[in-house]
Amino acid sequence: GDSVTQMEGPVTLSEEACLTINCTYTATGYPSLFWYVQYPGEGLQLLLKATKADDKGSNKGFEATYRKETTSFHLEKGSVQVSDSAVYFCALSGTNTGGFKTIFGAGTRLFVKA
Amino acid sequence: ETGVTQSPTHLIKTRGQQVTLRCSSQSGHNTVSWYQQALGQGPQFIFQYYREEENGRGNFPPRFSGLQFPNYSSELNVNALELDDSALYLCASTSGGGYEQYFGPGTRLTVT
Repeated sequence: GDSVTQMEGPVTLSEEACLTINCTYTATGYPSLFWYVQYPGEGLQLLLKATKADDKGSNKGFEATYRKETTSFHLEKGSVQVSDSAVYFCALSGTNTGGFKTIFGAGTRLFVKA
Repeated sequence: ETGVTQSPTHLIKTRGQQVTLRCSSQSGHNTVSWYQQALGQGPQFIFQYYREEENGRGNFPPRFSGLQFPNYSSELNVNALELDDSALYLCASTSGGGYEQYFGPGTRLTVT
């Protein structure tokens, strides 16, 4: 079935370090791919999205490219800030079998130290 | 534009009781989905409602049920609560043609 696998956390970085959170997926058809972020005590917020192969989603300095050949959607940021500390979820939606259902990875917790 | 709202924020119930959680969708959105997020895990899809009809269901037992109203707000009902039902329950809305979800802040349910 459809699924999302992302790297386990926690990931601990110093401020201004580079970030990569790996995400791979298994899906039928051509899903849309997303990264959501969850700050402590809050719901999920959409961070970025890509709807077709080779699309690059970007927001707040974060980027991710939809790679169909490797079924990946890795999240990257060149210089993290303390305020980026949160849990990041990779997700997909719009598969042949799942329709509007969104399938999430387990989440990766990021800690950024000053 | 009003975002997705949920009530209550927190709830404590006893095993075997019943609970109703409420969600108001974002303005203009006619599709509401409910998710269960256990501690330290990703959200799991419970079901989705589109124009007052259930439009898909995840792997949850029938004691999880829902409603959507003409104004597109929604309720999640859980009967015969079990300890494992303790989780953050998230509501998300979207417009009919889009896949990106707009989430509410969630309701934290604790079952003792």
